[in-house]
Amino acid sequence: DTAVSQTPKYLVTQMGNDKSIKCEQNLGHDTMYWYKQDSKKFLKIMFSYNNKELIINETVPNRFSPKSPDKAHLNLHINSLELGDSAVYFCASSQEGLRYGYTFGSGTRLTVV
Amino acid sequence: GDSVTQMEGPVTLSEEAFLTINCTYTATGYPSLFWYVQYPGEGLQLLLKATKADDKGSNKGFEATYRKETTSFHLEKGSVQVSDSAVYFCALSERNNNDMRFGAGTRLTVKP
Repeated sequence: DTAVSQTPKYLVTQMGNDKSIKCEQNLGHDTMYWYKQDSKKFLKIMFSYNNKELIINETVPNRFSPKSPDKAHLNLHINSLELGDSAVYFCASSQEGLRYGYTFGSGTRLTVV
Repeated sequence: GDSVTQMEGPVTLSEEAFLTINCTYTATGYPSLFWYVQYPGEGLQLLLKATKADDKGSNKGFEATYRKETTSFHLEKGSVQVSDSAVYFCALSERNNNDMRFGAGTRLTVKP
């Protein structure tokens, strides 16, 4: 059983389109995250939800909107995609307090053409 | 704010060589420290962790010791294998914080 699953794994789309990435965790964790990894492997946190409540909202264009329908799901919707949005997006989850670290999904490689 | 600095890569070693990847941190409190590994095309996996000073985390032959006096958490392995080729990330989290700070990653390539 996959602990943190993301779909799709690959996403190729044209500039200006709107797309969504879905994430689900079956670990019973309270907190979920979205990270963006650029081509140099640098990881930048975008959002964090704790029990469906937004707790971290970094400086991210407002074209990016997270949605958490329940504590096991955190989706990422991106409007008006731009070339610079091309990256790998990782979902992660953790127990509150972070003593045990994150469990990451396998990533979604987004390519905007 | 809290931050992690790790040695720049890439690092290229021959099989069975000794590995050290340096990691130092800046934190206001008493963070937990982690090493994650990312194999090509995959997500990050927790490799080892330490939650207080002088703790040693270990897994799959890798070790790291939480050194408060030098604010370091260097990753070591006595004899690397080709299968250890990956990107390694050092990270920290403070108690009562809801996010984790990652280093920039160090790419390791092990040649046969």
